Amino acid sequence: SAVISQKPSRDICQRGTSLTIQCQVDSQVTMMFWYRQQPGQSLTLIATANQGSEATYESGFVIDKFPISRPNLTFSTLTVSNMSPEDSSIYLCSVEAIRVGKTEAFFGQGTRLTVV
Amino acid sequence: QQQVKQSPQSLIVQKGGISIINCAYENTAFDYFPWYQQFPGKGPALLIAIRPDVSEKKEGRFTISFNKSAKQFSLHIMDSQPGDSATYFCAASTSGSARQLTFGSGTQLTVLP
Repeated sequence: SAVISQKPSRDICQRGTSLTIQCQVDSQVTMMFWYRQQPGQSLTLIATANQGSEATYESGFVIDKFPISRPNLTFSTLTVSNMSPEDSSIYLCSVEAIRVGKTEAFFGQGTRLTVV
Repeated sequence: QQQVKQSPQSLIVQKGGISIINCAYENTAFDYFPWYQQFPGKGPALLIAIRPDVSEKKEGRFTISFNKSAKQFSLHIMDSQPGDSATYFCAASTSGSARQLTFGSGTQLTVLP
C-alpha cells in the first residue's frame, strides 16, 4: 500500500497568483497522477507525472497552466498558475501501488483551493 | 477520456437495506472497473474492483456485478449501515490497472438509522 501526504490541505488564494501543491509518498512508486475534483463533481485526470521527463497532460490541461515536477519516485508537485475563481477545486494526488498482490490507486486527502 | 455514466446521483436507504448504484460505459477497451468510496474532506478509497473476465465479485457486504455485453456494472451494498453514508464513484481504465482512471459522476448515499 501507499500513504500519501499532500500539502497544503487547503488554501485561499488571490486571483492571478500561483499555488504549488506537494505530494509525498511513503514508498517509491512508478506512477503518480494529479486529479481535479470540482465542488460536488467527479474526478478528472489532469496529468501523469513522469519521473525524469515531462508530465503527460490530458485533453483540456496544459503545462503552462499546470506545471508538474517529479524529481524522484516519492515526490511530485503540481502548480496552479495565474489562478482564477474557476480554478477553485480540490486537487488530488494519486499513485499506483501494490496491496495484497494487486495494483490499485491510492489517493491523498486532497488540497482544497479557493480562488478569490 | 471516455465517459462513464453513473446513476443515481443520490440515494437514500434505510439501515439494513440494499444500496444499488449503476454505471455504464461505451469504450470496449476498458478492462478494469473499480469502485471508490469518499468521505467529506478525504480522498477516494478503493472499495472493490473487477476485471471483465468475471461477472461478479464479492467482498464482505460489497458486490460488483458486471455485464460485459451490456457494458454495465453495478455496486451492491448489502445490509447498508449509517457508516456507509458517503459518495461512491465508479471508474474505469484501459490499462488493466489503476492508471489513468475515468470516473463516473458520483452517487451520494445516505443510510438512515
